[in-house]
Amino acid sequence: DQQVKQNSPSLSVQEGRISILNCDYTNSMFDYFLWYKKYPAEGPTFLISISSIKDKNEDGRFTVFLNKSAKHLSLHIVPSQPGDSAVYFCAASIIQGAQKLVFGQGTRLTINP
Amino acid sequence: DAGVIQSPRHEVTEMGQEVTLRCKPISGHNSLFWYRQTMMRGLELLIYFNNNVPIDDSGMPEDRFSAKMPNASFSTLKIQPSEPRDSAVYFCASSASGRREETQYFGPGTRLLVL
Repeated sequence: DQQVKQNSPSLSVQEGRISILNCDYTNSMFDYFLWYKKYPAEGPTFLISISSIKDKNEDGRFTVFLNKSAKHLSLHIVPSQPGDSAVYFCAASIIQGAQKLVFGQGTRLTINP
Repeated sequence: DAGVIQSPRHEVTEMGQEVTLRCKPISGHNSLFWYRQTMMRGLELLIYFNNNVPIDDSGMPEDRFSAKMPNASFSTLKIQPSEPRDSAVYFCASSASGRREETQYFGPGTRLLVL
């Protein structure tokens, strides 16, 4: 039972354009969401997070949008750079679950020069 | 800081053998997590510890898996006996406290192949 789903295994985007990575969740108790980025042969690193009291959070080129009614979040990267090529994982947690994160399967983003 | 340290980085073993994965969290962190990454299921939390005490082990697949944290600077994940379906990348992560807003810092992972 996959509570957090990333339905696109891969995405290819031209350098300089916008990259949009999507994530859906099924558990309405989730109220805190995160994105992690992973390069080959390395562990995931934290990128950006959003609480359910917000619908948008921005950090430089990265913006996360949350649509609670649709149980959907997305990560926008503008402009996309070659160094953004990586696997991106979205994750969610519920307040009673403390630091227990539920991750999606990941989306491999490739930025083409 | 050296970050989260995992060993070995790669492990190839035969079905039925015991496998032990090791993790040293970031000094001063008091939460430690073990994850498994597979193509089909992505990153799954297996177990996590707070102040060396297991808090949630509901993600541990079955009795063949066990994890210990004898002190604040060391943890092990053991698989006995190992099976081919255990082949995956196993990550250890640590965070400063039990608060979920705290970033989890991941180690480089152990790539396990069970033949």
